[in-house]
Amino acid sequence: DAGVTQSPTHLIKTRGQHVTLRCSPISGHKSVSWYQQVLGQGPQFIFQYYEKEERGRGNFPDRFSARQFPNYSSELNVNALLLGDSALYLCASSFRSPGSGSGELFFGEGSRLTVL
Amino acid sequence: GQQLNQSPQSMFIQEGEDVSMNCTSSSIFNTWLWYKQDPGEGPVLLIALYKAGELTSNGRLTAQFGITRKDSFLNISASIPSDVGIYFCAGLNYGGSQGNLIFGKGTKLSVKP
Repeated sequence: DAGVTQSPTHLIKTRGQHVTLRCSPISGHKSVSWYQQVLGQGPQFIFQYYEKEERGRGNFPDRFSARQFPNYSSELNVNALLLGDSALYLCASSFRSPGSGSGELFFGEGSRLTVL
Repeated sequence: GQQLNQSPQSMFIQEGEDVSMNCTSSSIFNTWLWYKQDPGEGPVLLIALYKAGELTSNGRLTAQFGITRKDSFLNISASIPSDVGIYFCAGLNYGGSQGNLIFGKGTKLSVKP
């Protein structure tokens, strides 16, 4: 069975550009979350979607946006890139609904974004 | 905001040694989880704990949910080379519509030269 798949795996952008990262959850999982992991730190929550609705948003500026499609795949968009946006962006899926108390997330390998 | 303090930040192991690491929080969590991350990969769930005082094992790994709900520890017995990696604790407060995890900064396990 395919795990969580993310694309692209690596990308380089310059300041001010826009980036779109994509995620396909494990089949049957309706919940998708996005996390940012800066080098040497733990992942930090950005967004959570469940059944195509935003169910949670972390402390990130409005330059960050996301959406979930009818097939439960998801996109993370970041506008006006800054040097500090350089990080590993992780997508995670879960078959449990938010608020269920599970926390059992299945992570993809991430998209490594470098902003020059 | 909520923060998790994980210690030690890094440690060196020799094959066969037992390893301990812990995680503390300034506030209460309802669920504690332990993840492991290898280079170039996403975190993988090792153990999930749902009840204060709960002790759960997964092979050579044992984790406990602290009775105060503000801490958790992970033990690895008889370590092997493939145990090398970064271990993250994570806390979850459920209720309402959110289910986001708060992660610690990680404990990096390396092999003694």
